[in-house]
Amino acid sequence: DAKTTQPPSMDCAEGRAANLPCNHSTISGNEYVYWYRQIHSQGPQYIIHGLKNNETNEMASLIITEDRKSSTLILPHATLRDTAVYYCIVRWAGAGSYQLTFGKGTKLSVIP
Amino acid sequence: DSGVTQTPKHLITATGQRVTLRCSPRSGDLSVYWYQQSLDQGLQFLIQYYNGEERAKGNILERFSAQQFPDLHSELNLSSLELGDSALYFCASSALAGSYEQYFGPGTRLTVT
Repeated sequence: DAKTTQPPSMDCAEGRAANLPCNHSTISGNEYVYWYRQIHSQGPQYIIHGLKNNETNEMASLIITEDRKSSTLILPHATLRDTAVYYCIVRWAGAGSYQLTFGKGTKLSVIP
Repeated sequence: DSGVTQTPKHLITATGQRVTLRCSPRSGDLSVYWYQQSLDQGLQFLIQYYNGEERAKGNILERFSAQQFPDLHSELNLSSLELGDSALYFCASSALAGSYEQYFGPGTRLTVT
């Protein structure tokens, strides 16, 4: 699986868009980008995933660059409840095992 | 609310004891995954079941075992408990036999004293 690099921490003002970057320069053509978050001591929460095209759901948008070497998760109007650690994961859908492994992620602090 | 339920929320027990953690997946999901999360090790995959059958195994100790029942709920049994087994144990479920789109329960916090 491709290695991912995320900033260790970010701040965002409440009500503003939170843009969380992820670098995955060694991603291969059949690997997907997944985003999860974990609010302190709660179960991880699936947010969104994508392969090439930009994706949007009720929680967030995922923008993947054309060369697929990086992506950005966008929370359009951050609230205090979005304070969490956000994890970017790159995985091949054809793998035999679908275990998730989280790196260090980005600790997002939403500030009032 | 992910739709995945786990019981109990907290469990305090002594070394050498045995405990059972229970998980009910989201309605319609056939796959159940178990993870352990301790402070110093991050999220560790233990085991996956799909429709009652073991599908994949991670770093699960021999003292630990799991099963998935016909009604699709799953149980994780931890025996001969050691202090180092103290952790959060999460269950997740997915609709497919294998998917990275997994929905996690709130976890069971196990404290071994």
